[in-house]
Amino acid sequence: ETGVTQTPRHLVMGMTNKKSLKCEQHLGHNAMYWYKQSAKKPLELMFVYSLEERVENNSVPSRFSPECPNSSHLFLHLHTLQPEDSALYLCASSQDLPGTYTEAFFGQGTRLTVV
Amino acid sequence: GEDVEQSLFLSVREGDSSVINCTYTDSSSTYLYWYKQEPGAGLQLLTYIFSNMDMKQDQRLTVLLNKKDKHLSLRIADTQTGDSAIYFCAENEGNDMRFGAGTRLTVKP
Repeated sequence: ETGVTQTPRHLVMGMTNKKSLKCEQHLGHNAMYWYKQSAKKPLELMFVYSLEERVENNSVPSRFSPECPNSSHLFLHLHTLQPEDSALYLCASSQDLPGTYTEAFFGQGTRLTVV
Repeated sequence: GEDVEQSLFLSVREGDSSVINCTYTDSSSTYLYWYKQEPGAGLQLLTYIFSNMDMKQDQRLTVLLNKKDKHLSLRIADTQTGDSAIYFCAENEGNDMRFGAGTRLTVKP
C-alpha cells in the first residue's frame, strides 16, 4: 500500500466510449503524474501537475484529457481511444516536482483494454 | 537516443548475483533511482544514488554510477525468488522523472 489509489483496476472500453480514470492520494503531496506503461517500452510520462496546475504535456493526443480538481485527486478522461492505447496507466505523486531528491509513489495502475 | 535504456530480461539462479544495467540521458540529473515493480503492483522506490557518488551499498544492493559513460547498475547479491520483479532505472530531468522500459528479473530455484 503506497498511499496512491487508482480506480478502476481494470477497464475495457469500445473506441466510441467515454470513460475516466481516477487517482487519489492523501499523502499531502504537491505533484501528481500520469504514466503509460506498455510492454517493452520506457514508461511514458503523459502529464505532470504541480499544485493543481499542469506543468508538462508531453505531446499526448487530445483523446486523453487530464483534470486535477484539487491536490489530492487526478483524473484522466478518455474518449474515442484507439486499440494501441491499450496499456497500464499509472498514477504517481511526489512531495514536490523532481529537481532534487524525489521519491515517487505509484498506484497499482489501471489496466485499459480498448476494443 | 533520448530514452533511458535497459535490457529487457535477466534470468539468474537463486543464490547468484544479479546485475541490471542502465544507460541514462541527462548528465545534469542530480539523483538516479532504481524502482521495483512486483506483479500487479505499481513501482516502488528501491534505492537511489546522488550524482556525486560512485557507489552506494544498502544490504544486498549495490549501486554503481559511471557519470562519464552515463551508466548506472544495480547489483543484487544472493538473489532470492522474492527478488523476481521488473526493475526500472529512473533519472530526474527538469520537471520530469524519466524511466526506462524496465528489466524483468527471473530467479530460478
